Amino acid sequence: DIQMTQSPSSLSASVGDRVTITCQASQDISNYLNWYQQKPGKAPKLLIYDASNLETGVPSRFSGSGSGTDFTFTISSLQPEDIATYYCQQYDNLPPAFGGGTKVEIK
Amino acid sequence: EVQLVESGGGLVQPGRSLRLSCAASGFTFDDYAMHWVRQAPGKGLEWVSGISWNSGSIGYADSVKGRFTISRDNAKNSLYLQMNSLRAEDTALYYCAKAGGGWELLYPLDYWGQGTLVTVSS
Repeated sequence: DIQMTQSPSSLSASVGDRVTITCQASQDISNYLNWYQQKPGKAPKLLIYDASNLETGVPSRFSGSGSGTDFTFTISSLQPEDIATYYCQQYDNLPPAFGGGTKVEIK
Repeated sequence: EVQLVESGGGLVQPGRSLRLSCAASGFTFDDYAMHWVRQAPGKGLEWVSGISWNSGSIGYADSVKGRFTISRDNAKNSLYLQMNSLRAEDTALYYCAKAGGGWELLYPLDYWGQGTLVTVSS
């Protein structure tokens, strides 16, 4: 099974800061990588698919990059409504494993 | 508007069974694979199981293999998860999710329900 290692597990940043989260796969997954946002008490929401494609309606301050085993998720200018936990997920092979999550808080 | 509504959760004793349902609307159900994902209290997301559009491809997490069975009824626009031999570690919020790409299992999950809570305890 493919393991997904996400870091950091939590971070605190100020409004307007650039925030970066990394996700590493235990083997090559090409670009089969998604990023989800989960706000407290809510269901996850798909933000980015195929490593770098923004889902319809998602603000352009969110972006993703990478391929192979190393991936990056970026919020270019953190907003108060971005407080959430973010998860990566590979879908190259079954089981489509999630990373452990990164909790983003406002400093 | 896509809607996924889970039901069937509740409190159950270890070793007993429970059947979850997910009612889908707002899209052509039999055009898409569907999945179950769970989240234990205060923990991260764990993929549980997925089923292709025609039930021809099915997958399970190792943690539930042999105990859980996923199924779907395309005529009723419904997804199910039969959970047997439940354990305390199965306690979680269970989400139903739609695969965005289409028929087969491995696609991004583009719509999620609000979840149904399963608590396994004596």
